Amino acid sequence: IAGITQAPTSQILAAGRRMTLRCTQDMRHNAMYWYRQDLGLGLRLIHYSNTAGTTGKGEVPDGYSVSRANTDDFPLTLASAVPSQTSVYFCASSRDSRGEQFFGPGTRLTVL
Amino acid sequence: GQNIDQPTEMTATEGAIVQINCTYQTSGFNGLFWYQQHAGEAPTFLSYNVLDGLEEKGRFSSFLSRSKGYSYLLLKELQMKDSASYLCAVRDGDYKLSFGAGTTVTVRA
Repeated sequence: IAGITQAPTSQILAAGRRMTLRCTQDMRHNAMYWYRQDLGLGLRLIHYSNTAGTTGKGEVPDGYSVSRANTDDFPLTLASAVPSQTSVYFCASSRDSRGEQFFGPGTRLTVL
Repeated sequence: GQNIDQPTEMTATEGAIVQINCTYQTSGFNGLFWYQQHAGEAPTFLSYNVLDGLEEKGRFSSFLSRSKGYSYLLLKELQMKDSASYLCAVRDGDYKLSFGAGTTVTVRA
């Protein structure tokens, strides 16, 4: 692995289903982030983690949950997907909360 | 919270210069970032300003005025590969990034 990876690349999901988006980084970065990107709105922060074992809410956390059991992984879970969660989801990481953020390739999610 | 404004679209000719402006209002300030994002790809870091003045990095330069809540990204000697969206992002007092909606730059031959 080089950098930050996300899976799946894309997914079509029925409303009401549970879905976990995966994010893994091999840079030993302490801080990780989840954003969603919607046309005309830019990137919006969903949840973040400044270090393993801690998480925090961003600008648009409702309907999403995260966990940070170790340094490398930061999964994002949609407990019961709704159509308004259709978006492109980007995971990012940084050395610490003050550092430059590096972004993964994104997951395109469609909720029908 | 943050309020970040940048133009939606700009068009320029290959070899020319384009300046993308960004204005912001923030409850705390810990730096301003510019990212480039090609269609269908992830954002990539271009520049960072935390003090007033100009930061130059090759063909790209970024300027910051904290008192005016203003920044610009200057792209010189435009190339076709510079066609992309450019995202202005402000880091607040809690070190969280807020992004503008992005400026789509189209470079024409």
